[in-house]
Amino acid sequence: QQQVKQSPQSLIVQKGGISIINCAYENTAFDYFPWYQQFPGKGPALLIAIRPDVSEKKEGRFTISFNKSAKQFSLHIMDSQPGDSATYFCAASIKGTSYGKLTFGQGTILTVHP
Amino acid sequence: NAGVTQTPKFRILKIGQSMTLQCTQDMNHNYMYWYRQDPGMGLKLIYYSVGAGITDKGEVPNGYNVSRSTTEDFPLRLELAAPSQTSVYFCASSSAGGGYTFGSGTRLTVV
Repeated sequence: QQQVKQSPQSLIVQKGGISIINCAYENTAFDYFPWYQQFPGKGPALLIAIRPDVSEKKEGRFTISFNKSAKQFSLHIMDSQPGDSATYFCAASIKGTSYGKLTFGQGTILTVHP
Repeated sequence: NAGVTQTPKFRILKIGQSMTLQCTQDMNHNYMYWYRQDPGMGLKLIYYSVGAGITDKGEVPNGYNVSRSTTEDFPLRLELAAPSQTSVYFCASSSAGGGYTFGSGTRLTVV
């Protein structure tokens, strides 16, 4: 019930294209859904996050789409750039508690070709 | 502003040896976490702490121990290293309701 399943495992996109990464969760108590970006040799860094009371959140070229009934959420990277090449993790937590233990997806290695 | 600092960055241990991975944060965050990252497996929670003197097990605690004597420090102890503990270890901290700040990781190899 604590799982977050992420797909695809790896993704290759041409510069200027759209990158789409999907995640599905089982625990309906999850109420906070962040995405993290990780470059080689670095720790993950918070990219964008959404709460289930909205269906979409956009920050620059990055958009989270959220489907509460399907228990799915996705990250869209518009106009993908070589600098976006990184590993992306979706995550979920029950933020209504006093702390938010994150459950992470398996990660997606994104490669953007110039 | 250092954020979350982890030491060492790399370490090779022999089977049965012990070591402590250090983690320090300077953001006055109450919540701290230890995760391990294995290829294709995402990040798995080992232990977490909601404040000084309070720790609890995560998803994969076996073979590890933690302590939290101060708000700033959250060391992770490996008592009898095993090859299965070869991994990249990340420490993170957060405030109540805030996103995580991760350290840059410790790459551990047990041979």
